[in-house]
Amino acid sequence: GQSLEQPSEVTAVEGAIVQINCTYQTSGFYGLSWYQQHDGGAPTFLSYNALDGLEETGRFSSFLSRSDSYGYLLLQELQMKDSASYFCAVFGDSSYKLIFGSGTRLLVRP
Amino acid sequence: GAGVSQTPSNKVTEKGKYVELRCDPISGHTALYWYRQSLGQGPEFLIYFQGTGAADDSGLPNDRFFAVRPEGSVSTLKIQRTERGDSAVYLCASSQSTGEGHEQFFGPGTRLTVL
Repeated sequence: GQSLEQPSEVTAVEGAIVQINCTYQTSGFYGLSWYQQHDGGAPTFLSYNALDGLEETGRFSSFLSRSDSYGYLLLQELQMKDSASYFCAVFGDSSYKLIFGSGTRLLVRP
Repeated sequence: GAGVSQTPSNKVTEKGKYVELRCDPISGHTALYWYRQSLGQGPEFLIYFQGTGAADDSGLPNDRFFAVRPEGSVSTLKIQRTERGDSAVYLCASSQSTGEGHEQFFGPGTRLTVL
C-alpha cells in the first residue's frame, strides 16, 4: 500500500519557526510536494523536492531525505495568515498522480 | 490570469439522482485531474486526462463515476445514482504538462452533498 504520515495539528506563535514532518511509504517515488489549503479554499502549491536536500522559497523551506523516506516543511517568521492546513503529497508510482497525506492543521497564535 | 474554475460551487442532491460537475482548467494546460476530498482528509486522486483522453482512471471508485473532456479543455465529472457516501468536495486541477515536479493548479472545488 501507499501511505503518508504527518502530524494532525501544530500550534505556534506569530514570528516563530515551525517544522511539519512527513514520512511516506510508496511503491515508487518521483518527488515530494507540499500544498497549503485555507479553510474552504483550494490547495495551493508551495514546494517540490525530487533530490535530497533543502529547497528554500522565501519564508518556506522544504527538505527531503530519500533514504529515510522523510521530508519536512519549515515555515519561518510565522504570520497569522499562515494558519491553514498543510499537505505533503508524493508522486509515487507515476509522475502525475499525487498521493496526499491527511494534512497538518497549523494554528498561529498572536 | 484566470485560474481553474469549477461550477457549481455547491450542489445538494437526493440519493439516487444524477449530477454533473464542471471544470474549466487554465487555458493551455493539457493535463487535467480530478480529486475528491472528504472532511479532514487530503485530496484523493480520481482521474487524469492528457488532452482529450483519460490516461488514468484508476481512482474512480466504481462505474457510477465517469468523466469526459471532449475538446481537451473543459471537463465534466458525472456521477450516476448518487449515494450518501459520495458527499465530499470534488477538486479539479490542471497543469501545463506532466513529469516530475510539475505544479498542479487546483480549483476551489464543488461541495457535493447527497441527502
